[in-house]
Amino acid sequence: SQTIHQWPATLVQPVGSPLSLECTVEGTSNPNLYWYRQAAGRGLQLLFYSVGIGQISSEVPQNLSASRPQDRQFILSSKKLLLSDSGFYLCAWSHGGDEQYFGPGTRLTVT
Amino acid sequence: AQRVTQPEKLLSVFKGAPVELKCNYSYSGSPELFWYVQYSRQRLQLLLRHISRESIKGFTADLNKGETSFHLKKPFAQEEDSAMYYCALSGPYGQNFVFGPGTRLSVLP
Repeated sequence: SQTIHQWPATLVQPVGSPLSLECTVEGTSNPNLYWYRQAAGRGLQLLFYSVGIGQISSEVPQNLSASRPQDRQFILSSKKLLLSDSGFYLCAWSHGGDEQYFGPGTRLTVT
Repeated sequence: AQRVTQPEKLLSVFKGAPVELKCNYSYSGSPELFWYVQYSRQRLQLLLRHISRESIKGFTADLNKGETSFHLKKPFAQEEDSAMYYCALSGPYGQNFVFGPGTRLSVLP
């Protein structure tokens, strides 16, 4: 069966520090991969999605970037965190336009 | 541009009452429509999608292309239905995936 993992589960980082959040999928190949930010009262905001290795589409210009070094690995990064980057980050995978399967999320607090 | 709106941030109903969570969308083409649910301390998960035309946990949703709506309905709400509900759409290949802002449903005893 397919599983999706995210780590870390929680992270507290100072302003200006770098960020790396990792997401991996098991049990499937060539998935579409997604990064979302979930904010209270604002729902889910799609940040990046990828249809293959090295193929990244950015939905919202911001302080974050994403990379897909392997088929089932998706990384969310920042060189210098801002206070406004605090939030709950979700990774998801799907096959095409089918159902998305979500990871457990990472709670990021920028201090 | 594609967009999903859910006009109610919070909806409270009593147990046994009917419930309707509203969702409207805008999309140029034929989108796939979904309802996702997030129960307390659980992962966001798919509740139902319009192409399957099935009822899950007593919930149904009908796609109305004329009104560009995909409202979620259940005739008799249960306390365990209390959760955050998101309406979403995507293009046929998983591109342009958009979630609505969500509606928190609270079913009171």
